[in-house]
Amino acid sequence: NAGVTQTPKFRVLKTGQSMTLLCAQDMNHEYMYWYRQDPGMGLRLIHYSVGEGTTAKGEVPDGYNVSRLKKQNFLLGLESAAPSQTSVYFCASSDRRGNYGYTFGSGTRLTVV
Amino acid sequence: DAKTTQPTSMDCAEGRAANLPCNHSTISGNEYVYWYRQIHSQGPQYIIHGLKNNETNEMASLIITEDRKSSTLILPHATLRDTAVYYCIVRVAYNTDKLIFGTGTRLQVFP
Repeated sequence: NAGVTQTPKFRVLKTGQSMTLLCAQDMNHEYMYWYRQDPGMGLRLIHYSVGEGTTAKGEVPDGYNVSRLKKQNFLLGLESAAPSQTSVYFCASSDRRGNYGYTFGSGTRLTVV
Repeated sequence: DAKTTQPTSMDCAEGRAANLPCNHSTISGNEYVYWYRQIHSQGPQYIIHGLKNNETNEMASLIITEDRKSSTLILPHATLRDTAVYYCIVRVAYNTDKLIFGTGTRLQVFP
């Protein structure tokens, strides 16, 4: 089925470790986004991309890096994980016109101990 | 983007209409009203959006007041599977900038 796929679904990291979250979409969408959601809160935008090779900062970009080398993939990297980065991470994509809103992935639950 | 205000929680009996209100008194003329929902811990799901006319799709109806300062999402026949957090968001259409999620309304549908 068409949509947004996130890998991995779960991960436990030790403080200081690094990892990369992968987001892949097969809808030929121009725009892609990374959000985080902490317990009892709404989603907050980390970084986003409006096209291949472009990235931009969102509301809470510190401690994260992103890359969009291919149109269908958007990678989120944590260089040195901290307990404050324990969260559920959601990737989303949308077409240029945004007529049908964003399509979200099912999330990655990350715990940093 | 304009800010929205929603009730923290609402209840609705199964089979009845669920009416979820949203205030957006500072909305600008070129801002649309979007509704998303998040079931349990899944990714948010787009429901509907509109500018000033009422809109309807297979999931819901959106009623926007004439002054556009408030709107109501209507789920005509709520089911247990509609239990979720519903987010009302206003933003400029085709805008590449952030989609700002508030804390939303937690809708509980009971048997």
